[in-house]
Amino acid sequence: SYDLTQPASLSVSPGQTASIFCSGDRLGDKFVSWYQQKPGQSPVLVIYQDTKRPSGIPERFSGSRYGSTATLTVSETQAMDEADYYCQVWDSTSAVVFGGGTKLTVL
Amino acid sequence: EVQLVESGGGLVQPGGSLRLSCVASGFNFRSYSMNWVRQAPGKGLEWVSHIYSDSTFTYYADSVKGRFTISRDNAKKSLYLQMNSLRAEDTALYYCARLAGSDPDNFDHWGQGTLVTVSS
Repeated sequence: SYDLTQPASLSVSPGQTASIFCSGDRLGDKFVSWYQQKPGQSPVLVIYQDTKRPSGIPERFSGSRYGSTATLTVSETQAMDEADYYCQVWDSTSAVVFGGGTKLTVL
Repeated sequence: EVQLVESGGGLVQPGGSLRLSCVASGFNFRSYSMNWVRQAPGKGLEWVSHIYSDSTFTYYADSVKGRFTISRDNAKKSLYLQMNSLRAEDTALYYCARLAGSDPDNFDHWGQGTLVTVSS
């Protein structure tokens, strides 16, 4: 089965930049999406197709991909950005795969 | 406004069955593929199943294959998940999620979820 690897946690200070990585074999062959999930809430799409931002998502959220690693970058991090973040792809068998999630703490 | 409202969760004994429903509104339901995604308490997201807009194709995670069946009724704007032979490890919050239309590789809308607890 296909696996996506994310760091379990990341801490940043307000105003700093948070970079959340997601790695997987041949990730370059796939589009990566990112979701934000705050405690007690449903996931929200923040980045799709590696770099695109849905309407209503602040510009400080951006995505990139280089080789087998995708990155979600949160610039000028605010307290409201504290959440779990998940990367997601479709694998070759038409199954959906989520990364294990990264808990972003804004101290 | 797009809305997805799940129902049907509850407490069920191991080996039992449950049928989840998701009612959609605010968009042309028959034009979108739909999915179920679950989240065990304190854990990450796990994809469960996917169904095409016209029900021609369905896909399942290995963990539920042969036990769960996804279906839909476009006339009723409803998505279903029939869950049989339930196990303790199926305990989770089950989300209904819409696959984006123009870029069908991400989930652009999610419901609030319905909680399934499998326990004796």
